[in-house]
Amino acid sequence: AQSVTQPDIHITVSEGASLELRCNYSYGATPYLFWYVQSPGQGLQLLLKYFSGDTLVQGIKGFEAEFKRSQSSFNLRKPSVHWSDAAEYFCAASGGTSYGKLTFGQGTILTVHP
Amino acid sequence: DAGITQSPRHKVTETGTPVTLRCHQTENHRYMYWYRQDPGHGLRLIHYSYGVKDTDKGEVSDGYSVSRSKTEDFLLTLESATSSQTSVYFCAISEPDIRLLGYTFGSGTRLTVV
Repeated sequence: AQSVTQPDIHITVSEGASLELRCNYSYGATPYLFWYVQSPGQGLQLLLKYFSGDTLVQGIKGFEAEFKRSQSSFNLRKPSVHWSDAAEYFCAASGGTSYGKLTFGQGTILTVHP
Repeated sequence: DAGITQSPRHKVTETGTPVTLRCHQTENHRYMYWYRQDPGHGLRLIHYSYGVKDTDKGEVSDGYSVSRSKTEDFLLTLESATSSQTSVYFCAISEPDIRLLGYTFGSGTRLTVV
């Protein structure tokens, strides 16, 4: 079955520290991959996406993600975290016979300490 | 989010009563989706629509029905609400090719079934 896994339920970092959020997918072929962010009480906002080509993609708010086919991963990174980055982050994928329908990971809650 | 509105934003209802949630878009996107968000599960697809009167089931469709009589409106009905349907419900819209914009999400409806 197609699935997306975010192994970390909750991550805490200090402001200014680097960040990496993990995402693994299980699809027959390379899916379309997305990262979304959700602030408390809000909807989801698209951070970045990957379909093909350069495996390092840049997104909004200083985030980037790297696609690694050999590891079936699409990890989200940020060199220096700001307090406003505290939110929940979702990895999502679409592919196979389900292009157009996104499957989401369980989400990772990011807490930022001053 | 601009262009997509969910109503109501909050609702408390009693077990066994029918409930209808509304999603309205002004973007003229063909595809519309209903997801529910629960802690530890991320977002799970309930139903989706690829056009007027063209709907299909997602992975957690039991106890839910949908209707789409106009491009701009996608209604989700809980036929007889149960406590397990207490959740936050998100509507999303997309173009057929999600590579361009991904999904755009509404702000969500928090439903409590007592």
